[in-house]
Order: sequence, then C-alpha cells, then structure tokens
Amino acid sequence: ETGVTQTPRHLVMGMTNKKSLKCEQHLGHNAMYWYKQSAKKPLELMFVYNFKEQTENNSVPSRFSPECPNSSHLFLHLHTLQPEDSALYLCASSQRDLTDTQYFGPGTRLTVL
Amino acid sequence: EDQVTQSPEALRLQEGESSSLNCSYTVSGLRGLFWYRQDPGKGPEFLFTLYSAGEEKEKERLKATLTKKESFLHITAPKPEDSATYLCAVQALNAGKSTFGDGTTLTVKP
Repeated sequence: ETGVTQTPRHLVMGMTNKKSLKCEQHLGHNAMYWYKQSAKKPLELMFVYNFKEQTENNSVPSRFSPECPNSSHLFLHLHTLQPEDSALYLCASSQRDLTDTQYFGPGTRLTVL
Repeated sequence: EDQVTQSPEALRLQEGESSSLNCSYTVSGLRGLFWYRQDPGKGPEFLFTLYSAGEEKEKERLKATLTKKESFLHITAPKPEDSATYLCAVQALNAGKSTFGDGTTLTVKP
C-alpha cells in the first residue's frame, strides 16, 4: 500500500450505533488530520495530530472521538451521531505540520440514518 | 477572518476549449495558496502551492498564477480526463489551518 488509505470506504449507521473509521499513512509523515466534507460546503478541519499528540480540535462535538496510537495510524470513533453528520470524512497527512503539503486519503462516505 | 471564493461554481467545456478557474481570497498575510483536484468519491489530490504574487507553476495542461488578491488555474486544451472538482485553499502566516473554497466542478465533453 502506498499513500494514505482509509477504511471503510462506505459506512451506514444508525444514530445509536458505535463505529470507527481508520486511516493509515505509508509516507513516513509525522502529522495527521481529519476533515469533514459535506455537500456544497468547503472542507472543514476537525482534528490535528502532530507526533501522535492532538494539537487542534476545531470545536468538534464530543460524539466524534479521535485516537492516534502512532504516527502512521489515526482513528475516528463515532457514537450517537446525527443525520447531519452524514458526509465524506477525509484523512490527510503531512511531513511535519499544517504548513507542509497535505496528502489525502480517499475518504469514508458516512451515512447516518 | 480568512475567506476564499471560487468561481464559477461549475464550468462545462468542449475538449480543446481553454479556460480559467478563479480563486479570490482575503487573508491576513499569505503563507501559501494551494490548488487541489478532487475526483468523485476520492480525496483531494495536491496540484500546486504558490507563495508570492507573480509566481506561476505548470503541470501538463494546468498553469496556476497568483496575484495579491486572486489565483487563476488556466487549463489549456482540456481533455475529458481533466473533468474533476478543483479546490483552492489559503493558509495565513498566523494560522495553522488552511481555509478552503467551495470548489469549481469542471466537465470537459469530448
């Protein structure tokens, strides 16, 4: 595998379910990010991790819980989501921080029923 | 607050018909302006970073230019495979995250 991979690619869940999104980067980068992309809206940065430490949380509701066990892996744990949380969730990585070029994964298309 | 406005929202071209996409921005000191290409169902793919007014970068049929207020992505003799959504983003000197525009969806008909 090369670049940034995400699983699953598609996810349908009920509002009471608990699920997790997974991201893995094979680029040797030290920073990883979660973005939300909704229809007709710009990309929204959700979380920033540098060297496994969370350095930014852009007022994201607590029903989204990130986890970064090492510099190559990033998870987004989901629980009690709302229908308006349906979107494309993108993972990205960069060499050091947000000033570096970001490389995106293919995304997870999430639908909350 | 940093702002990015892309126009047009959608652009339909015939194969070979050159055109330009616009990205207007306001930012308190520009660190960099980024162009990405996004295909349906995929994540954005990095194209260019521009840092200062007057800078230009080229890649195949694409050429990005930058002024103090806007950036253009010129597409010369486009092909159907150039069809995608093109995203522009700016990063301010005093901010970590980038501000993205809504994108321009380009469709090139054969």
